[in-house]
Amino acid sequence: GAVVSQHPSRVICKSGTSVKIECRSLDFQATTMFWYRQFPKKSLMLMATSNEGSKATYEQGVEKDKFLINHASLTLSTLTVTSAHPEDSSFYICSAGIAGAMADTQYFGPGTRLTVL
Amino acid sequence: AQSVTQLDSQVPVFEEAPVELRCNYSSSVSVYLFWYVQYPNQGLQLLLKYLSGSTLVESINGFEAEFNKSQTSFHLRKPSVHISDTAEYFCAVSAPYNQGGKLIFGQGTELSVKP
Repeated sequence: GAVVSQHPSRVICKSGTSVKIECRSLDFQATTMFWYRQFPKKSLMLMATSNEGSKATYEQGVEKDKFLINHASLTLSTLTVTSAHPEDSSFYICSAGIAGAMADTQYFGPGTRLTVL
Repeated sequence: AQSVTQLDSQVPVFEEAPVELRCNYSSSVSVYLFWYVQYPNQGLQLLLKYLSGSTLVESINGFEAEFNKSQTSFHLRKPSVHISDTAEYFCAVSAPYNQGGKLIFGQGTELSVKP
């Protein structure tokens, strides 16, 4: 149980284009979804927290207009990197959180490797 | 606010040897503690967690961690490691969701198991 998927797993795009990454909780309804960014050999940096039906809460220093987050349902959240540039190249990981019954634990997706040329 | 310090960035060890990956945290409120494992080019997998109750928690693949409140530590141990345990290990802390719930990660410890 508690499986989270991400699509695509890997994407290469040209500078200036937009890329959408999907995060789905497959066998549970997630109270909250989180988006992280991970640089090589580094820890995870929380970018934003999203709750279904409400606006995402972004961490300090994360551009809201650059990284658009939509949380349309209890099983789907999307991250759109708008007008991507090479410095946006990174490993993006989502997680889905379950409060209460499954004891406040986050379950992570497999990640999406974004390369901007 | 919470913070996590993983004291070792790299831990090389021979197969079948014991290993300890150290993790210390700081927090002004009660927290939950987690260990996650990340294999190359993959997401994170939950290894074990402490939420309440017994301070010694175990995973299905032989790892264990003990919550020590007085020392604010949550060290991860395994009595005998395998080659397949080679991975990056992250310690994390969070407050309950109704108090924010954000996971704060340590910098990670690269465990390298050699034959």
